[in-house]
Amino acid sequence: EAGVAQSPRYKIIEKRQSVAFWCNPISGHATLYWYQQILGQGPKLLIQFQNNGVVDDSQLPKDRFSAERLKGVDSTLKIQPAKLEDSAVYLCASSEARKAFFGQGTRLTVV
Amino acid sequence: GQQLNQSPQSMFIQEGEDVSMNCTSSSIFNTWLWYKQDPGEGPVLLIALYKAGELTSNGRLTAQFGITRKDSFLNISASIPSDVGIYFCAGRSGAGSYQLTFGKGTKLSVIP
Repeated sequence: EAGVAQSPRYKIIEKRQSVAFWCNPISGHATLYWYQQILGQGPKLLIQFQNNGVVDDSQLPKDRFSAERLKGVDSTLKIQPAKLEDSAVYLCASSEARKAFFGQGTRLTVV
Repeated sequence: GQQLNQSPQSMFIQEGEDVSMNCTSSSIFNTWLWYKQDPGEGPVLLIALYKAGELTSNGRLTAQFGITRKDSFLNISASIPSDVGIYFCAGRSGAGSYQLTFGKGTKLSVIP
């Protein structure tokens, strides 16, 4: 069974630039999450989708972060404009029942 | 919001020793998940627990869902060098809730 796919694996941008991350969840998984993981910390939920609807985006910095999940499958997370403190690993996970499975993440460095 | 306290934050053990780590929550969970994360990789699911008192094993790993539903522990027996990594607990609360909250992780180092 294919796992959660994320791209790119790495991204380096200058502050104030824009960046987008892509996630393809496990086939059939209705729930999709985006997490931000700063070095040395646990993953922090940014946004959670159930099919193509947002369930929880309370911790998403909406002035600069946006996410969508068109057609309830793939999802993109965008940052515009990026700040230095956005440097982190962005993890996508998908879930069908109570288990959640993660992709390898995208490591973002903002310089 | 929900908070998970995971301890210890880090530990160094000799190869062959057993190790134990735990998580406590400020609220009741209906699911506990334990993950391992290697450098540069995403978290990998180790064990899932669904009801209070449940004890589940996966090879040398054993995890338990606390009776109060506010805690869980993970034991690793006879540690080996490849056990090195960061272990995270994650909890889910409420019937039908899919929100997953993570602890801050336990960094395990195994000395050969």
